[in-house]
Amino acid sequence: GAVVSQHPSRVICKSGTSVKIECRSLDFQATTMFWYRQFPKQSLMLMATSNEGSKATYEQGVEKDKFLINHASLTLSTLTVTSAHPEDSSFYICSARGRTSASYEQYFGPGTRLTVT
Amino acid sequence: KQEVTQIPAALSVPEGENLVLNCSFTDSAIYNLQWFRQDPGKGLTSLLLIQSSQREQTSGRLNASLDKSSGRSTLYIAASQPGDSATYLCAVQGSQGNLIFGKGTKLSVKP
Repeated sequence: GAVVSQHPSRVICKSGTSVKIECRSLDFQATTMFWYRQFPKQSLMLMATSNEGSKATYEQGVEKDKFLINHASLTLSTLTVTSAHPEDSSFYICSARGRTSASYEQYFGPGTRLTVT
Repeated sequence: KQEVTQIPAALSVPEGENLVLNCSFTDSAIYNLQWFRQDPGKGLTSLLLIQSSQREQTSGRLNASLDKSSGRSTLYIAASQPGDSATYLCAVQGSQGNLIFGKGTKLSVKP
């Protein structure tokens, strides 16, 4: 089956620093990757959609200069939270969709717990 | 704007019971609907995916139905077990490929 990994699984950083989260498709080529955010007791909210080699499309209310997304290859996308603040503390999950995914099924990574102190 | 609602928000049942989780969505123009399981602090596990042209999907003790015209889906869990305890998320996929999630139903199965 399709496997998506995320690294790191947990990260604690100080306010004002930047944090990079990696999302990798391990056994398929991901033409599209999605980044979601989940606050406690809330559902997943889509932050942005990225297609390999193109600029990411951000959802309304998500600051593109704060959440930098790079999808430079068919197996790797990165999300960089710049100048992190405590309110950015959340669970970040990526998903990937393959080139041959006729059903448009997305495969999810295990998530990254970000805590900003 | 698509909205997904899940009822109930939480459910507690004794082991062995059959149960139904409900999901409704406001825009019937969907590509598919998925049910996921999320354990505390973990990512998502895909349970069932129903294409818009399908009425139901089954996997083991799980059965999901889809009534696109009325904007409803149900997830039926037969003979529930303590290991089924988790949050169950329903999500619909629109034409842009993005998934829109409900807030989930937190299920607790008591031994």
